[in-house]
Amino acid sequence: GAVVSQHPSWVICKSGTSVKIECRSLDFQATTMFWYRQFPKQSLMLMATSNEGSKATYEQGVEKDKFLINHASLTLSTLTVTSAHPEDSSFYICSASTGYLNEQFFGPGTRLTVL
Amino acid sequence: AQTVTQSQPEMSVQEAETVTLSCTYDTSESDYYLFWYKQPPSRQMILVIRQEAYKQQNATENRFSVNFQKAAKSFSLKISDSQLGDAAMYFCAYRSANQGGSEKLVFGKGTKLTVNP
Repeated sequence: GAVVSQHPSWVICKSGTSVKIECRSLDFQATTMFWYRQFPKQSLMLMATSNEGSKATYEQGVEKDKFLINHASLTLSTLTVTSAHPEDSSFYICSASTGYLNEQFFGPGTRLTVL
Repeated sequence: AQTVTQSQPEMSVQEAETVTLSCTYDTSESDYYLFWYKQPPSRQMILVIRQEAYKQQNATENRFSVNFQKAAKSFSLKISDSQLGDAAMYFCAYRSANQGGSEKLVFGKGTKLTVNP
């Protein structure tokens, strides 16, 4: 139980294009989903927290117009990187929880490379 | 703001031996959770062990145990009988348990554990 999937697992795109990453909770309803970013050999940094049906809460320094997050259902959240640039290349990880202060279950991550 | 510090960027251990990974944290909250996560080369984050701050008893999960020193704000992870599959990055993390507090996980920078055969 408590499986979280991400799609795609890796993506390569050209500079200036937009990329959408999906995060799904497969066997539970996720009221809250979290998006993290991890640069090579570094730790995970929280980008934003999204609650189903509400606007995402972004961490300080994260551009909300560049990283669009939608949490339209209890099993799906999407992260769209708009007008991607090479510096956006990173590993993006989502996690999901069943409720406030409940355990977070992590997805396998998506590697984004912007050429 | 809460911070988590892992002072050992890399550690190594011989197979079947015991290793301890260090973690300290800073917070003004009284109620919180502490976690150790494992990230193998696949990059999938795996929860290893969790400790509630209000519990004095140290958490244990099979070969993994913690030494939680609340007053010292220290939370070390001991891996006994190390196995090759234990090789990974290990992240210590903090999360508030206060009602109305943030749900976010604050991670340390990680410790890369190598297990030598």
